[in-house]
Amino acid sequence: DSGVTQTPKHLITATGQRVTLRCSPRSGDLSVYWYQQSLDQGLQFLIQYYNGEERAKGNILERFSAQQFPDLHSELNLSSLELGDSALYFCASSIGQGSSYEQYFGPGTRLTVT
Amino acid sequence: AQSVTQLDSQVPVFEEAPVELRCNYSSSVSVYLFWYVQYPNQGLQLLLKYLSGSTLVESINGFEAEFNKSQTSFHLRKPSVHISDTAEYFCAVSDMDNQGGKLIFGQGTELSVKP
Repeated sequence: DSGVTQTPKHLITATGQRVTLRCSPRSGDLSVYWYQQSLDQGLQFLIQYYNGEERAKGNILERFSAQQFPDLHSELNLSSLELGDSALYFCASSIGQGSSYEQYFGPGTRLTVT
Repeated sequence: AQSVTQLDSQVPVFEEAPVELRCNYSSSVSVYLFWYVQYPNQGLQLLLKYLSGSTLVESINGFEAEFNKSQTSFHLRKPSVHISDTAEYFCAVSDMDNQGGKLIFGQGTELSVKP
């Protein structure tokens, strides 16, 4: 158990819908990262927050948004869902903001868009 | 732009045999290098990392990786594998000068250890 929790574990929804994925980092960690894992794209970095502020951005679609709240939990919002958004979404956390700090991954949320 | 290539998508091997999982990276700047392991239906776990210093880094469960700057490689090795090593292994790179923690992952290598 990494200490990072993600809810829900599974999510099945229809095209055009909007969903919210939630992540609670390890106690004491200030950075939260979101990654998408799909069969065709592999593991891709989406976005990083550090202590409530956006720190780095990757290949995140405009239909996707995220935020980190004062209690440091984070939410990833996916809207106007398409079949291609079906993937495993991982949240990770680390104590610092740079890449030398170990990132601890949650178990993931499996999103299926039908 | 940085990229990571894992040269083998699948590596089948017999128990107690040695294994090498290959990783090459491309970057115009100095990098940190990582190997992560993903067991079935689980998240990723850090196996080992190279930040600086000795180019040979080891994990607690017998894996090692060597950073070769001239070859831009970070291959993962284990002299004798166990059934429990069956998992997917991801090589990742990060820009050393980046203020953020963005990791660029390879496509993964599925290690299958057979009895």
